[in-house]
Amino acid sequence: TQLLEQSPQFLSIQEGENLTVYCNSSSVFSSLQWYRQEPGEGPVLLVTVVTGGEVKKLKRLTFQFGDARKDSSLHITAAQTGDTGLYLCAGGQWGNAGNMLTFGGGTRLMVKP
Amino acid sequence: DAMVIQNPRYQVTQFGKPVTLSCSQTLNHNVMYWYQQKSSQAPKLLFHYYDKDFNNEADTPDNFQSRRPNTSFCFLDIRSPGLGDAAMYLCATSREWQGGTDTQYFGPGTRLTVL
Repeated sequence: TQLLEQSPQFLSIQEGENLTVYCNSSSVFSSLQWYRQEPGEGPVLLVTVVTGGEVKKLKRLTFQFGDARKDSSLHITAAQTGDTGLYLCAGGQWGNAGNMLTFGGGTRLMVKP
Repeated sequence: DAMVIQNPRYQVTQFGKPVTLSCSQTLNHNVMYWYQQKSSQAPKLLFHYYDKDFNNEADTPDNFQSRRPNTSFCFLDIRSPGLGDAAMYLCATSREWQGGTDTQYFGPGTRLTVL
């Protein structure tokens, strides 16, 4: 069974602070996806990383895939109240029955004004 | 815009009364998934279709069934909902990718309440 440990579970910070969320596994994934989910809505894809060592930037968000494709991080610079939400990492593996995702437990972020 | 659509967004049913949730997609993806997500938890995969091939997760209760009449539509049937089945139900799709992986795209979800 593949496990993806996400930390921290909860994070409450002031607007303008920086933060990093981590996803770690002992398994190798073909891809790593980060989603953001707001209450009552489905997860919205932020980014997919597929190459070991890959770094992608989305405005104030920086995503990194570990060299061994076992871990990933999400760094937010100068957090804003609009960044509040549940952040989910999910490791992808393609099998005979399709692309299967292993989800981390999620990080609930609250950014206070 | 191409997307994953779920109807209804909110569904209220009575204990034991069958309910059907609907998902449609305009992405022309050949893989469709159903997840159950309870409060403050990550989504849990119930089953998925790879084209017409149905793949059930080992721990998905028999109470949950699915139908995929064509590429665009997929349904989740809960035959006798219990109070523990109250949750957000998420539909997702992904594209076949020979020898690789592809992203899953999620719908907005259906919030199911069981009275």
